[in-house]
Amino acid sequence: GQQLNQSPQSMFIQEGEDVSMNCTSSSIFNTWLWYKQDPGEGPVLLIALYKAGELTSNGRLTAQFGITRKDSFLNISASIPSDVGIYFCAGPYNYGQNFVFGPGTRLSVLP
Amino acid sequence: DAGVTQSPTHLIKTRGQQVTLRCSPKSGHDTVSWYQQALGQGPQFIFQYYEEEERQRGNFPDRFSGHQFPNYSSELNVNALLLGDSALYLCASAGAGKGPETQYFGPGTRLLVL
Repeated sequence: GQQLNQSPQSMFIQEGEDVSMNCTSSSIFNTWLWYKQDPGEGPVLLIALYKAGELTSNGRLTAQFGITRKDSFLNISASIPSDVGIYFCAGPYNYGQNFVFGPGTRLSVLP
Repeated sequence: DAGVTQSPTHLIKTRGQQVTLRCSPKSGHDTVSWYQQALGQGPQFIFQYYEEEERQRGNFPDRFSGHQFPNYSSELNVNALLLGDSALYLCASAGAGKGPETQYFGPGTRLLVL
């Protein structure tokens, strides 16, 4: 089946630093989604991407849909303590009736 | 407007037992999906319900079954529990015909199988 890989698996950064993470797929996706999950909560959608090459921002977050349609990137600028959590990429297949998630990137922000 | 709600929040069972988890979708949503999230991993799709029928299923055995009621709420049933069934079970709801970005997740039910 389709698999997503995320890197890095985890990262420790200082408050104020910028963060970059990526997601790769063995298959082509038509949509890429980025979610954040806080402890004890379900994932919350951060950004949705729909076209190859698309660059979309949501506050300090910027995500890009790779031109090969097999990868996506998420950047966080000027990190703050509330950015701590697990970031997942996800993509729908089978006409959006099914989702596959990556294993996540765990972000820790040091004061 | 309440979001997706799930009950119970935590549950402890022993091997071989059966469990039922419940989900109420966000107001206006009629499609419910269930996911299993093992510790340290991303959510894995179990199945999706729409119009009280299972529309699609992930790679999970028949021990996992579900139901959707006329009010769009849903249940996930797991029979003959195994230790490996210990996980966070997430419910997500969406509006029919809407894009994948409209899917909202509940806080999950954490199941521990001893």
